[in-house]
Amino acid sequence: EAQVTQNPRYLITVTGKKLTVTCSQNMNHEYMSWYRQDPGLGLRQIYYSMNVEVTDKGDVPEGYKVSRKEKRNFPLILESPSPNQTSLYFCASSSADRAWEQYFGPGTRLTVT
Amino acid sequence: GNSVTQMEGPVTLSEEAFLTINCTYTATGYPSLFWYVQYPGEGLQLLLKATKADDKGSNKGFEATYRKETTSFHLEKGSVQVSDSAVYFCALGNTGGFKTIFGAGTRLFVKA
Repeated sequence: EAQVTQNPRYLITVTGKKLTVTCSQNMNHEYMSWYRQDPGLGLRQIYYSMNVEVTDKGDVPEGYKVSRKEKRNFPLILESPSPNQTSLYFCASSSADRAWEQYFGPGTRLTVT
Repeated sequence: GNSVTQMEGPVTLSEEAFLTINCTYTATGYPSLFWYVQYPGEGLQLLLKATKADDKGSNKGFEATYRKETTSFHLEKGSVQVSDSAVYFCALGNTGGFKTIFGAGTRLFVKA
């Protein structure tokens, strides 16, 4: 089954404690992206990657890091989380041969206290 | 720059009513247009898409036509069901593919 998986699905942490949210896709898509969803603000892109070792900033990259060492994986790293990073996070992947329609993971709800 | 504007919600309808959610865009080139749906507690999933002018995307009774002359991609359904209650996002994929721009989302409530 074609899918994008994210882990964990729910996470409560404290300010300053480094965390990683994993994302993996099994469709051999070249493009992957991270979004955050906040009430009233819709979806905002954090980082994206066009292929292995190629990443770039989206609209709200501050406080986040990513890496793309393998085509299937695109982890999101919060080196020093702060309460304003409390949000719902989605990973997505897509490919040119599907006109760039995006396949989304189930989401990770992060709370930073 | 590229942008997407969709009607604000929430939209509340009775079952079997007609649905229209307006979406307009600003873009250079020839982008693909999408509607995504987010059911409660889930991620977004593609509802329909159109890749060129005058294309009509359709799925699950929903339709939208890519109108280049009015830069619009309005979502319609002839008879909504309670199970259609969700948040609907219009989105613009640019020709380079790496940037998808989403509208703010429109929440739909359908009452039995």
